[in-house]
Amino acid sequence: DAGVTQSPTHLIKTRGQQVTLRCSPKSGHDTVSWYQQALGQGPQFIFQYYEEEERQRGNFPDRFSGHQFPNYSSELNVNALLLGDSALYLCASSLATGRNEQFFGPGTRLTVL
Amino acid sequence: AQSVTQLGSHVSVSEGALVLLRCNYSSSVPPYLFWYVQYPNQGLQLLLKYTSAATLVKGINGFEAEFKKSETSFHLTKPSAHMSDAAEYFCAVSDLPGRRALTFGSGTRLQVQP
Repeated sequence: DAGVTQSPTHLIKTRGQQVTLRCSPKSGHDTVSWYQQALGQGPQFIFQYYEEEERQRGNFPDRFSGHQFPNYSSELNVNALLLGDSALYLCASSLATGRNEQFFGPGTRLTVL
Repeated sequence: AQSVTQLGSHVSVSEGALVLLRCNYSSSVPPYLFWYVQYPNQGLQLLLKYTSAATLVKGINGFEAEFKKSETSFHLTKPSAHMSDAAEYFCAVSDLPGRRALTFGSGTRLQVQP
């Protein structure tokens, strides 16, 4: 049973560019959450998708947007990249029903130059 | 709003010594609490979780944590540290983890000295 997968593993962009990160949830999970982890810090919640809709959003600007597909996979898009967007982006999946934990993927390391 | 405070950004212990990583939380509703471990350049792995059942929770790799409502704490312990325990540890809280955000602490880096 595959866990949460993310692609790409690493990404280098320049300021002002746009980036798309992808996530496939653990088999059987229907909810995907995205987190940003800056170097030396704990993960910060970006947003969560369930039934193809954004259900909850953290304190991130509109430059951060997402999408969830019918197969529950998800994308995170970041426009007009800033140097401060350099971070490890973590995807987590869970079951909306029940009091279940979130399972995390290995992350995508984004570097903005 | 919920929050987590992890006391001590760095903890160093000798191999075989007791590990104690501190976590205090704030929540206006009954919390669900988690400890995750992160090895270098990897994602987060769940160590253990508290979901309103037993207050003493046992996890993987010999770790356990005790939920103390009166102290709003959920400290992580391991009786005997192993070199492989060296990693970053994060405490997290949620009011409904399957459908709501996790709020993380800033993490504690555990070093294990030979």
